[in-house]
This record gives sequence, structure tokens and C-alpha cells, in this order.
Amino acid sequence: RKEVEQDPGPFNVPEGATVAFNCTYSNSASQSFFWYRQDCRKEPKLLMSVYSSGNEDGRFTAQLNRASQYISLLIRDSKLSDSATYLCVVAWMDSSYKLIFGSGTRLLVRP
Amino acid sequence: ETGVTQSPTHLIKTRGQQVTLRCSSQSGHNTVSWYQQALGQGPQFIFQYYREEENGRGNFPPRFSGLQFPNYSSELNVNALELDDSALYLCASRSASGNHEQYFGPGTRLTVT
Repeated sequence: RKEVEQDPGPFNVPEGATVAFNCTYSNSASQSFFWYRQDCRKEPKLLMSVYSSGNEDGRFTAQLNRASQYISLLIRDSKLSDSATYLCVVAWMDSSYKLIFGSGTRLLVRP
Repeated sequence: ETGVTQSPTHLIKTRGQQVTLRCSSQSGHNTVSWYQQALGQGPQFIFQYYREEENGRGNFPPRFSGLQFPNYSSELNVNALELDDSALYLCASRSASGNHEQYFGPGTRLTVT
């Protein structure tokens, strides 16, 4: 089983739609959680950290469910510019700090 | 822009050669990590450097090695290149304290022929 799993998509949605991505992780000792966005042939860019209480940044809402070991990202009122791959990232510390990426979920927003 | 820079941007090498990739971290960040990203995959953790020492490593063979310098910049060295080493190599920096958010450089695209 992969340490961090995501549905690869693609999710093909019209402009203005609401879309949600889920991500599951296997290590119950995971401590930090993030969503990154990656455009084609570019580096990942931090979208938002994910906190236990859930957090919102404009049209983006992230939720963490520690009991079920999953993280979600909700995008409201999708824009064409939201088209990208969204990477779920989980971090924990054992003998050293580890940051594990999922393979990403591709989002295509159409006019 | 994150302030993390990498060089070179592109590189073509032949199988068996050695390569050195370079990274300058964001100001104030003392921890640098390296990742390998193959096409269609998420970044895979290679290793992390803090205070000039490797303090974390993923599932990569010893021919992947690195250095960190007193100014926190870093190098990734790969010996005996294989075709499967062709990938985007990403460097990310963060502060050792705080919320562990990492910021990536633009990457070096390595092609091994």
C-alpha cells in the first residue's frame, strides 16, 4: 500500500463548479499535512497547510480527518486557472523528518 | 517566487557519467531536501540536509549523495547514471522550526541517454 494515495483523475469540470479531492495516508503518526499545486513542467507550489480544525483560504477549503486518515481539498467556483495537478503531502518525524507526496490529482476546468 | 534557485535548468548526460546539481535555499531556511520526480509521478524524497549533515534519506541507492554548505546551499551528486535517472530534480528549503512548510526551486530536468 502506498504511504499517500490519491485518485489520479483527471477531474474535468466546468467553470464555476465545486470539486473535491480526497487523499488517504497510511502512517497514523503523521504530523503535518499540506496541499501543493503543480502546473505542467513546473515546480510544486504550496497551496495550503491543513490543520486539524480545518482551514479555508478564499475558494479553497482543506479538512483533516485523523481518525480515518484522510485529507480533503474543496475548490469552490472553479476558474480556468485552477487547472493543474494537486499533490497531497504528509510529513512525520521518526529518526528524521520525512515528507511524502501523493502522485497527484489532475484537475481540468473547461469554459 | 520562493527564493529557492537551482542550476542548471536542463542537463543531458550519458549512461555511466556523473552529475552535480546545485541549489540555493531561501533566505533564513537552514534545511534543504532533494526530490526526484519522474513523469506522471509525485516527487520522491531523496534526502534532507540540516547543519551540513544528512538527517533523512528515502529509498535511493548510495550513488545518490549530497552536500550542504555553511551558507545552507546544497549539491546533489549522482554517480554511474542510469537511464531511469532521467527526471526532474527538485530542491526544497524550509526552516527547521515552525510549521515545516517547504518551498521548491524550479528544478533541474536531467535526461540520461
